Amino acid sequence: DARVTQTPRHKVTEMGQEVTMRCQPILGHNTVFWYRQTMMQGLELLAYFRNRAPLDDSGMPKDRFSAEMPDATLATLKIQPSEPRDSAVYFCASGLGQEAETQYFGPGTRLLVL
Amino acid sequence: GENVEQHPSTLSVQEGDSAVIKCTYSDSASNYFPWYKQELGKRPQLIIDIRSNVGEKKDQRIAVTLNKTAKHFSLHITETQPEDSAVYFCAATPFTGTASKLTFGTGTRLQVTL
Repeated sequence: DARVTQTPRHKVTEMGQEVTMRCQPILGHNTVFWYRQTMMQGLELLAYFRNRAPLDDSGMPKDRFSAEMPDATLATLKIQPSEPRDSAVYFCASGLGQEAETQYFGPGTRLLVL
Repeated sequence: GENVEQHPSTLSVQEGDSAVIKCTYSDSASNYFPWYKQELGKRPQLIIDIRSNVGEKKDQRIAVTLNKTAKHFSLHITETQPEDSAVYFCAATPFTGTASKLTFGTGTRLQVTL
């Protein structure tokens, strides 16, 4: 049963520190999405990639967030410097890049910035 | 961009009763409408989806209906069981040509009581 994996599952850090979250999409999936979930804002799309190329990162604060896909099996989301308002659960999802396709979510990284 | 509204935000039903969750969307180009179930501390998981060329879809105790003219779609759960207790999210997306960019509703917390 192929699944999206994410590391770390939990992260506690202090304000100002760099945070790196990693995602391994399902093998063969060419589209990767990063979402942020908070009680106040719900599930928000931050950025997404197809064939490792960034297609849309309009949902992401550009000054502190960056997303990359170094290779087809790894996507990263970095926050530098982190702030308390970044505390949230960050989900990665992957898909086949087709119309009306299912997106499969990873288990999420629960981030707490003190 | 797309805007999805979801109601109610909380729903409590007795075991065996039916539950209905409703969503409206704004972008007439949206053509794919998935529903995700999220248990506490877990990842969102797809439970059913519907494409715009279909008005209704059923999978055992779960059904989804779509009214494209009115731009709304609904999730129906019959014979509810305690394990149906979770947060349910609707989503809508137009196909961008390269990916299905989901916009999520704010979620409905369903509580099934004995």
